[in-house]
Amino acid sequence: SAVISQKPSRDICQRGTSLTIQCQVDSQVTMMFWYRQQPGQSLTLIATANQGSEATYESGFVIDKFPISRPNLTFSTLTVSNMSPEDSSIYLCSADRGTNYGYTFGSGTRLTVV
Amino acid sequence: KQEVTQIPAALSVPEGENLVLNCSFTDSAIYNLQWFRQDPGKGLTSLLLIQSSQREQTSGRLNASLDKSSGRSTLYIAASQPGDSATYLCAAPSTDSWGKFQFGAGTQVVVTP
Repeated sequence: SAVISQKPSRDICQRGTSLTIQCQVDSQVTMMFWYRQQPGQSLTLIATANQGSEATYESGFVIDKFPISRPNLTFSTLTVSNMSPEDSSIYLCSADRGTNYGYTFGSGTRLTVV
Repeated sequence: KQEVTQIPAALSVPEGENLVLNCSFTDSAIYNLQWFRQDPGKGLTSLLLIQSSQREQTSGRLNASLDKSSGRSTLYIAASQPGDSATYLCAAPSTDSWGKFQFGAGTQVVVTP
């Protein structure tokens, strides 16, 4: 099964700064997704990232706050910009490996903004 | 719009008991359904993927069933162990947007020694 390496695994950041999270997949995938999981909550989709096109953001999420790059079929980054304590969450990337294989997730980035 | 509900929200059992976790979805036009495990502060680990043509899928002590007509899936964990303590999430495809999945809120399981 595909493996996704996500880093950093955790970080503590000052408010007003930005953090970039990276995900590397060990095989080519068409669709990658970025999720946020706030404390005690389930997953909320931030955006869908397809190679060669702009990311598609869900309601409540904007590109200026969460810019995403997808330079090729194995890599994506999510930046959390101008952070505030409300951005403290676990951020997860995932890849759609097709209907026969389902979703694979990275190990998550635990972000604390102070 | 696909909605996924998991019951119960939390479950505590003594070691050795069988676990039954329920997942319901509102739109049965799905091509598969996936069960995940999440340990605290970590990412999601895929447990089982059931295709729409299958009624169940098994992996070791885990068995997941799928009944599309009733909009339900059940995850059975036999002979539970303390290492099974985690949050279990099910995910069904979003039927209004290709490739997206809708996640349930999860069932938090504690297995006591």
